Amino acid sequence: AAGVIQSPRHLIKEKRETATLKCYPIPRHDTVYWYQQGPGQDPQFLISFYEKMQSDKGSIPDRFSAQQFSDYHSELNMSSLELGDSALYFCASSLGRQDNIQYFGAGTRLSVL
Amino acid sequence: AQKVTQAQTEISVVEKEDVTLDCVYETRDTTYYLFWYKQPPSGELVFLIRRNSFDEQNEISGRYSWNFQKSTSSFNFTITASQVVDSAVYFCALSEAEGYGQNFVFGPGTRLSVLP
Repeated sequence: AAGVIQSPRHLIKEKRETATLKCYPIPRHDTVYWYQQGPGQDPQFLISFYEKMQSDKGSIPDRFSAQQFSDYHSELNMSSLELGDSALYFCASSLGRQDNIQYFGAGTRLSVL
Repeated sequence: AQKVTQAQTEISVVEKEDVTLDCVYETRDTTYYLFWYKQPPSGELVFLIRRNSFDEQNEISGRYSWNFQKSTSSFNFTITASQVVDSAVYFCALSEAEGYGQNFVFGPGTRLSVLP
């Protein structure tokens, strides 16, 4: 069965650079979530989208933005990167209000040097 | 505010031992969902189980079993006859029932090491 696809799997950036992470949800899933997991920490919710509209917002820095496109894929844009942004970024998808089980992608490991 | 506590930071057991991972949650909602996810060394998060707040039946799936007790706000996870492949970080998570986002609040995780 198709899973959540995240790209790239690994990304290395320098301070003050920008990064774009992509997420392709499971087919027919209409809700996408972004989480940030720092080393040795639990995933922290950043933002979610339902039917291409932002549905909830967590601890996402103002330097980050995200959107969900007409084909339901989502992108997380990160600007003015800081060392502290180094983390594993997960995308998850679900069937919105019909089924709230979130299926996670393999994550994008971002290293900011 | 919602909160999930996993008091056990790390657990080590020898293969074939049984092990229970504790999860205690806090929420003001009367309707909510609880989840367990496994994060193996490869890093991905694997869904294990979902339980809603109205279903207190215990569940067994192979070597895995879950004990949900609303009276103590706990949702514990037991692995019977543990195997080396069970070595991972296990996260308990809580989600409210209403709203479009329904984002998860994760516990801090319990790192389980199963030694051969």
